Amino acid sequence: TQLLEQSPQFLSIQEGENLTVYCNSSSVFSSLQWYRQEPGEGPVLLVTVVTGGEVKKLKRLTFQFGDARKDSSLHITAAQPGDTGLYLCAGGNTGSARQLTFGSGTQLTVLP
Amino acid sequence: DTGVSQNPRHKITKRGQNVTFRCDPISEHNRLYWYRQTLGQGPEFLTYFQNEAQLEKSRLLSDRFSAERPKGSFSTLEIQRTEQGDSAMYLCASSPRGLAGGLGNIQYFGAGTRLSVL
Repeated sequence: TQLLEQSPQFLSIQEGENLTVYCNSSSVFSSLQWYRQEPGEGPVLLVTVVTGGEVKKLKRLTFQFGDARKDSSLHITAAQPGDTGLYLCAGGNTGSARQLTFGSGTQLTVLP
Repeated sequence: DTGVSQNPRHKITKRGQNVTFRCDPISEHNRLYWYRQTLGQGPEFLTYFQNEAQLEKSRLLSDRFSAERPKGSFSTLEIQRTEQGDSAMYLCASSPRGLAGGLGNIQYFGAGTRLSVL
């Protein structure tokens, strides 16, 4: 069974601070997706990384896929209140279904 | 393209009743997934369709659960004899055809159906 562990589970910071969220597994994934979810809504795709060592930037967000494709990180620079939400990492499986294995999420609160 | 659409958004039912949810995927997406998400957890995979064929089911999908995608377009998820433990957010996702390698894992989610079993 593939598992993804996210840390921290909760994070509360002041506007303007930087933060990093981690996603770790003992399993290799074909890809790693990061989603953001608002209360009562479905996850919204932020990025997909597929190559070991890959780094992608989305404005103030930087995503990295580990060299061995077992872990990933999300770094937010100068966080804003609009960044508040539940951040989920999801590992892509290589089987025929290509289903996603999700971490339990990091609840981020950015205080003004 | 309006994204993945799920109906209803909320459903309250009494224990023992049957409920059915509908998912309309992004047009021309041939892959469709159902997930379940409980409070404080990430979504968990339930089942997968490629076109109209249901190709994979999780052990989480008990025999009270059934899913269909009769014409390879919309899908329904039915729960019979609901139990309080079925209370959760049920999420549908779709994925386009033709993406190779890791990109084949890209999935777009609907807003979900929140089920409350009293």
